[in-house]
Amino acid sequence: SQQGEEDPQALSIQEGENATMNCSYKTSINNLQWYRQNSGRGLVHLILIRSNEREKHSGRLRVTLDTSKKSSSLLITASRAADTASYFCATDAENSGYALNFGKGTSLLVTP
Amino acid sequence: GAGVSQSPSNKVTEKGKDVELRCDPISGHTALYWYRQSLGQGLEFLIYFQGNSAPDKSGLPSDRFSAERTGGSVSTLTIQRTQQEDSAVYLCASSDPGSPLHFGNGTRLTVT
Repeated sequence: SQQGEEDPQALSIQEGENATMNCSYKTSINNLQWYRQNSGRGLVHLILIRSNEREKHSGRLRVTLDTSKKSSSLLITASRAADTASYFCATDAENSGYALNFGKGTSLLVTP
Repeated sequence: GAGVSQSPSNKVTEKGKDVELRCDPISGHTALYWYRQSLGQGLEFLIYFQGNSAPDKSGLPSDRFSAERTGGSVSTLTIQRTQQEDSAVYLCASSDPGSPLHFGNGTRLTVT
């Protein structure tokens, strides 16, 4: 079953703007990951945040995790047209044996 | 080094026929996953292999689906008596346990 749910389903912004995507999940987790998928390709790992972390940065990416609300957000700052892709959050529930559960993703369009 | 390789990249088959999809994981990765992605949807977990442990088959949608992993490396996903609803992209990923997944580009299966 799908554990993570991303919000919004689709997001359209202009280059230079920031993009924020949210993810909610249902059960306790070990960690939460964000992946990116370009059209027709597999997913590429962006960032992993552990359940005992609250915020993590990687380049223009900032991820937050609120385990009390069972939610996470991915912020892409100063977006570029090349950021256009679908973004998925994935969680490994504590009893899942590391099998990741993915949401349906947020489709991000960045226009020049 | 080489990433995860999946073959074929595209497969068109007639309803009722059997298909085999192949995944070559990254050398040394003990964990291997199969996911299914329908158009515009998230990833549906199918099966997870970890080392020599019994696979987690909890995501297989019916007994027409099976998978094996020989020698802890290459994996094949077999779909028997294919149905139109089986049409999707089948993604394979590998990893070290608890580490981010590395995905192949998938096999796009079309059942006519």
